[in-house]
Amino acid sequence: QAVVTQEPSLTVSPGGTVTLTCGSSTGAVTSGHYPYWLQQKPGQAPRTLIYDISSKHSWTPARFSGSLLGDKAALTLSGAQPEDEAEYYCYLSYSAVRVFGGGTKLTVL
Amino acid sequence: EVQLVESGGGLVQPGGSLRLSCAASGFTFSSSWMHWVRQAPGKGLVWVSRINSDGTTTFYADSVKGRFTISRDNAKNSLYLQMNSLSAEDTAVYYCIRGVQGWPDPWGQGTLVSVSS
Repeated sequence: QAVVTQEPSLTVSPGGTVTLTCGSSTGAVTSGHYPYWLQQKPGQAPRTLIYDISSKHSWTPARFSGSLLGDKAALTLSGAQPEDEAEYYCYLSYSAVRVFGGGTKLTVL
Repeated sequence: EVQLVESGGGLVQPGGSLRLSCAASGFTFSSSWMHWVRQAPGKGLVWVSRINSDGTTTFYADSVKGRFTISRDNAKNSLYLQMNSLSAEDTAVYYCIRGVQGWPDPWGQGTLVSVSS
């Protein structure tokens, strides 16, 4: 089964920009993996911020954006806010199965 | 409003079995793929399994293949996860998710499975 890799932790300054990435052990992440990005704050259930590379839900703040960057999927946060401190999970589709990345703990400091 | 309510968790001994349920409402359950996702305490999300709308097609993560069985009863708007040969590594909160594009629904509270002697 494929392994999805994310940075274990990242730190961003308030108002700063940070990019989280999502790689696949099978090769380049493509549109065919339909990358999702989920946010989980402490003590809360996860919720999807980005799906299918760059699509947003109505609740997704405009400062979040998704893309393909090189051979990875990427989540960019521009203008970080204290409330963005959370765990972020990448989720990829592999035809039959689905795989989550290990998560990135984002600290806003 | 979409609601997914998981139940059936509890404490079970290693090697034991448990059957989880997910009661769905607020959408056409019989038209939807469904997933199970789990999260061990303090750990990350893990995709477990998914099933198609009529229950004829199922897929599993390698870590549960051969031990877990996903199923559904569309007449009862219910999703199930039969878990056998449980080990400590299966200890987690289990969530059911509607497999619609973007996973737009709020997640339920999940049901906690604890495997311990």
